[in-house]
Amino acid sequence: GNSVTQMEGPVTLSEEAFLTINCTYTATGYPSLFWYVQYPGEGLQLLLKATKADDKGSNKGFEATYRKETTSFHLEKGSVQVSDSAVYFCALIYNFNKFYFGSGTKLNVKP
Amino acid sequence: AAGVIQSPRHLIKEKRETATLKCYPIPRHDTVYWYQQGPGQDPQFLISFYEKMQSDKGSIPDRFSAQQFSDYHSELNMSSLELGDSALYFCASSLYGGAHSNEQFFGPGTRLTVL
Repeated sequence: GNSVTQMEGPVTLSEEAFLTINCTYTATGYPSLFWYVQYPGEGLQLLLKATKADDKGSNKGFEATYRKETTSFHLEKGSVQVSDSAVYFCALIYNFNKFYFGSGTKLNVKP
Repeated sequence: AAGVIQSPRHLIKEKRETATLKCYPIPRHDTVYWYQQGPGQDPQFLISFYEKMQSDKGSIPDRFSAQQFSDYHSELNMSSLELGDSALYFCASSLYGGAHSNEQFFGPGTRLTVL
């Protein structure tokens, strides 16, 4: 079956620190992979995506590379800001079907 | 650009009451998905529709029903509400077979509180 596993939070970092949030997946076939961000009390916002192996998604300084060999899609940012504090969800979709979400990782960035 | 519209944005109901949530997809999108996100949980798929027909079903309780109308908007009907139904309900839409058909665009959600 399809599933997503991401690192548990919360992750607490100081401003300008390097961020990595791990995400691995299990899927039949070749899914598309996504990172969504959810700010307190708000909906899901697409952060970045990758649709095939070795694709790199990037947006607002965040990056993630679709690694087929390790079935991973880790989220990284070189220098986090307080405004990046949110919950981050890794997700996959396969064959025009429903999303499978990871459990979410809460990021707290302190000034 | 037009986005997915959900109404109402907030809803407060008593136990055993009914609720109807509405979703208006992006124009020309033909597929609608409903997700439920409990407090501190990840979104869970409930049900989806393609061209007014149910296309997939997830962990949707029997007390809930949904449909998609001819203008592609969708409604999620929830009856005999329970405290555990309190959650954020997301609708997402996509265009089947389109250039981004493996991407769903999410609405802002309806926050349902059952007292």
